[in-house]
Amino acid sequence: NAGVTQTPKFQVLKTGQSMTLQCAQDMNHNSMYWYRQDPGMGLRLIYYSASEGTTDKGEVPNGYNVSRLNKREFSLRLESAAPSQTSVYFCASSEQLAGAVTGDTQYFGPGTRLTVL
Amino acid sequence: RKEVEQDPGPFNVPEGATVAFNCTYSNSASQSFFWYRQDCRKEPKLLMSVYSSGNEDGRFTAQLNRASQYISLLIRDSKLSDSATYLCVVNRVSGGSYIPTFGRGTSLIVHP
Repeated sequence: NAGVTQTPKFQVLKTGQSMTLQCAQDMNHNSMYWYRQDPGMGLRLIYYSASEGTTDKGEVPNGYNVSRLNKREFSLRLESAAPSQTSVYFCASSEQLAGAVTGDTQYFGPGTRLTVL
Repeated sequence: RKEVEQDPGPFNVPEGATVAFNCTYSNSASQSFFWYRQDCRKEPKLLMSVYSSGNEDGRFTAQLNRASQYISLLIRDSKLSDSATYLCVVNRVSGGSYIPTFGRGTSLIVHP
């Protein structure tokens, strides 16, 4: 049981390049999330997927796209990377039962450290 | 005003001290609350949920004050291993799902 896995762990891009960050969870969770963490800024929600087949914007979605490929996998794509997207990216998942209004625990992957030159 | 605010610290305390952190939130419709711990260059991990009645887990006590819109975390008998960043998380409901918002975190350094 690996929990939440992310690939790659590190990546360096040049401005304008594209890439996809991969995330997978093996806990049969319904909801998945992408965050970015910058020094002094805490974690900011980029996109989330409340359930398979749905995705919604979070606090900072500009410059990103996501795909909920199936219940296990949620990918984050940078179409044209910019230096402002240099950050640590975390994927998370939670069980969040359908219709439940009580929050539950989020489990995080180890993060992807992305540098855009 | 940010939706969730925390004093970034750092709080620098000796071993054995008691330390408390607060976290204020602006959305009165917030539904659930958590404290996470994040070690340097690692992912956040759940420390404890925060219930309306308050809850305790060993040396850690969390409390919620809905009227004043803040949550607190009290750490008693601090250990060196408690050194970390503590993140508060506030969930609101949107479209039948809960949406988490993280505070920026409070840094704790426990020294010998």
